[in-house]
Amino acid sequence: QLQLLESGPGLVKPSETLSLTCTVSGGSISSSYFYWGWIRQTPGTGLEWIGSINYSGAIYYNPSLQSRVAMSVDTSKNQFSLKLDSVTAADTAMYYCAKYNWNDDTFDMWGQGTMVTVSS
Amino acid sequence: EIVLTQSPGTLSLSPGERATLSCRASQSVSSSYLNWYQQKPGQAPRLLIYAASRRATGIPDRFSGSGSGTDFTLTISRLEPEDFAVYYCQQYTNFIFTFGPGTKVDIK
Repeated sequence: QLQLLESGPGLVKPSETLSLTCTVSGGSISSSYFYWGWIRQTPGTGLEWIGSINYSGAIYYNPSLQSRVAMSVDTSKNQFSLKLDSVTAADTAMYYCAKYNWNDDTFDMWGQGTMVTVSS
Repeated sequence: EIVLTQSPGTLSLSPGERATLSCRASQSVSSSYLNWYQQKPGQAPRLLIYAASRRATGIPDRFSGSGSGTDFTLTISRLEPEDFAVYYCQQYTNFIFTFGPGTKVDIK
């Protein structure tokens, strides 16, 4: 059974870089049928797609975040990562990693989420 | 970017009743790329319906989806206690994914 688990600091200072990693277990990240995505959720803005990446490094970013976001994949560790630069309080959110399945165009598996607070 | 609007914001119903949730898009969305998710408190969203009308694996047949173009509907034929949750629609167009703001189905 494939599982995803987010990890990273729960507190980030304003203007610094938020860094999260998603570890995929129970299956390989190197499937051509899957992309791997980051989605965040706040009470104010709801669910917001941040970006998606596949095992070969093909990436799609949300245009509204593109200037501050970088995603990467490490197939040797079965992990993918998110970096978000110059964070502000508006980036405080629950961050989820998720598997995107090209077969039916769905986010069909999600991690449990990790809460990140931006505060000094 | 396609904006999704969901209505109502909150739906108060009793177990056994029928729930009808609406998702409206600011532009036409391919039915192949309109999905519904359920989220319970403290949990990640869970895929319910994909391609507007297809149930995901393990989803009971009391859940159904319909619609096309800019208007889509999620119907729960008879609410079970575990169905009280927040429901989100989501679309994918031109390599951009957006979600609706959600409809909360709570117990009347």
